[in-house]
Amino acid sequence: NAGVTQTPKFQVLKTGQSMTLQCAQDMNHEYMSWYRQDPGMGLRLIHYSVGAGITDQGEVPNGYNVSRSTTEDFPLRLLSAAPSQTSVYFCASSQTGELFFGEGSRLTVL
Amino acid sequence: GDSVTQMEGPVTLSEEAFLTINCTYTATGYPSLFWYVQYPGEGLQLLLKATKADDKGSNKGFEATYRKETTSFHLEKGSVQVSDSAVYFCALSNSTDKLIFGTGTRLQVFP
Repeated sequence: NAGVTQTPKFQVLKTGQSMTLQCAQDMNHEYMSWYRQDPGMGLRLIHYSVGAGITDQGEVPNGYNVSRSTTEDFPLRLLSAAPSQTSVYFCASSQTGELFFGEGSRLTVL
Repeated sequence: GDSVTQMEGPVTLSEEAFLTINCTYTATGYPSLFWYVQYPGEGLQLLLKATKADDKGSNKGFEATYRKETTSFHLEKGSVQVSDSAVYFCALSNSTDKLIFGTGTRLQVFP
């Protein structure tokens, strides 16, 4: 039972590069979300989706794009990476209020 | 807006000591309250939850009671183990799945 799978686990980018963090879940959950975790700031919501074809912004959406073409996948795109986006990123899915998290993707932007 | 405030860490305890991690919240309406735990190198996982005032959530020896009068949801455990060492997050939700997290409290338990 895979749950929520994130790739890659680690990534180093240079300023200005673009990349996509992948997230897939096999629990048929409608709700999916992306958080970033920074020291002393807890988890902050970036974007979320309540179903295929529907996305919305969270607390810190600037610099990130998302799409939800299928129930299973919810990729997070960084169009032009900045050092301020160095963080650990968590994808989560939910159906009944309990979030199930992936193991995280640690991103460093130089 | 809605927010969650947790006590600063780290909390350092000896094995079998009593644990309290304070959590207070600000929210409109009647939110659901959660405690999540993050073990080293892993994602967060739900520890316990409460959905209405005076509810007590419990799991793995941990407990927390939803206190609307004090807007609190403090986490307690009577006897901690080394394996409880982790970061604990308090969170609230006023909608079905959108959670607002506190900053997290690191617990270190020594033998």
